[in-house]
Amino acid sequence: GQNIDQPTEMTATEGAIVQINCTYQTSGFNGLFWYQQHAGEAPTFLSYNVLDGLEEKGRFSSFLSRSKGYSYLLLKELQMKDSASYLCAAMDSNYQLIWGAGTKLIIKP
Amino acid sequence: GAVVSQHPSWVICKSGTSVKIECRSLDFQATTMFWYRQFPKQSLMLMATSNEGSKATYEQGVEKDKFLINHASLTLSTLTVTSAHPEDSSFYICSAREGGLGDTGELFFGEGSRLTVL
Repeated sequence: GQNIDQPTEMTATEGAIVQINCTYQTSGFNGLFWYQQHAGEAPTFLSYNVLDGLEEKGRFSSFLSRSKGYSYLLLKELQMKDSASYLCAAMDSNYQLIWGAGTKLIIKP
Repeated sequence: GAVVSQHPSWVICKSGTSVKIECRSLDFQATTMFWYRQFPKQSLMLMATSNEGSKATYEQGVEKDKFLINHASLTLSTLTVTSAHPEDSSFYICSAREGGLGDTGELFFGEGSRLTVL
């Protein structure tokens, strides 16, 4: 079956670094997405990885290892506004997104 | 980046009535649009995939006669919740993908529509 695993909740301190991990199993693979979702709002796109390696975009970076079925989202210099849920989603061979349940990130001062 | 507009943002209706939610791609042609539903504290659940000019493909467990999806043009898809009941109260979100040579696989999301059925 198809499955995405990510931690339910993480807590970090303002100004610190946090890494949110995601493992996936899909029928075929056409890329791994990370989305940010604040409570009551629609998700917003953060990153897309289809090749192995690290993609850096400002304070956020995303890593993918296709052989391990593993990705992580790295957030640096955490700000209070980064408190949100972070959704990992893998695209299968039919171009359907398989979503994780999301990781709720709590930032403390 | 590409913009997807969803309307209305909030809707309250009486049980038994129908509600239509629109999803528009404002600056690109969306060959494929997706409709999702999100219950409180749960992840997004794909309801259906619609391709312009063809019938929507519904996910298992989603009633196609209750959730009518129309994707009549490359910039507009609509979701109609027919004979809504309180258990249909949820956050409905659409997303669109450009398709063709310009398709990176990135999805662009609408702002979401919060439906409350009394």
